[in-house]
Amino acid sequence: GQNIDQPTEMTATEGAIVQINCTYQTSGFNGLFWYQQHAGEAPTFLSYNVLDGLEEKGRFSSFLSRSKGYSYLLLKELQMKDSASYLCAVRDSNYQLIWGAGTKLIIKP
Amino acid sequence: SAVISQKPSRDICQRGTSLTIQCQVDSQVTMMFWYRQQPGQSLTLIATANQGSEATYESGFVIDKFPISRPNLTFSTLTVSNMSPEDSSIYLCSVERTGPPDTQYFGPGTRLTVL
Repeated sequence: GQNIDQPTEMTATEGAIVQINCTYQTSGFNGLFWYQQHAGEAPTFLSYNVLDGLEEKGRFSSFLSRSKGYSYLLLKELQMKDSASYLCAVRDSNYQLIWGAGTKLIIKP
Repeated sequence: SAVISQKPSRDICQRGTSLTIQCQVDSQVTMMFWYRQQPGQSLTLIATANQGSEATYESGFVIDKFPISRPNLTFSTLTVSNMSPEDSSIYLCSVERTGPPDTQYFGPGTRLTVL
């Protein structure tokens, strides 16, 4: 079967750095997405990786290793507004998006 | 990105009744999807709404329970039929914009509570 694993919850301190990991086993790979979802709101697109390596977008970076079936989302200079759930999703060989359960990130002052 | 609206934003319904959720996009899109999200959980795809043909349902979801319409490239509806408390959830529509990458964007969601 297809599976995406993320930690359920993480806690970090304002101003610090946090890394949210995502491992996947899917039938084929056509890209990996990270979404941010604040409580009570819809998911919003954050980043996309299809080749190995690091993609940087301001305070957020996302890394991919296809051989290891592994990605992480790195958030720097954490702000209270970064408190949200972060969803990892992989597009498989059928071009369907497979969603992880999400990681709830709690930021403490 | 895409501007997507959904109506209603929330509703409280009695068991046995039906609710139709509308999704409107600001421009034409080929791919539209309907998801369900239980509190604290991730997204479950219900179906792909196909313009001009029947929707494609995922395992565990059937047309009689979740009929979908897609009359044009900017609009779709999802009906939750003969509701039970287990149908209480957030229902989200999404659209896919051609990239690269081809990316899904989500509407604000409809929070449904069934009593």
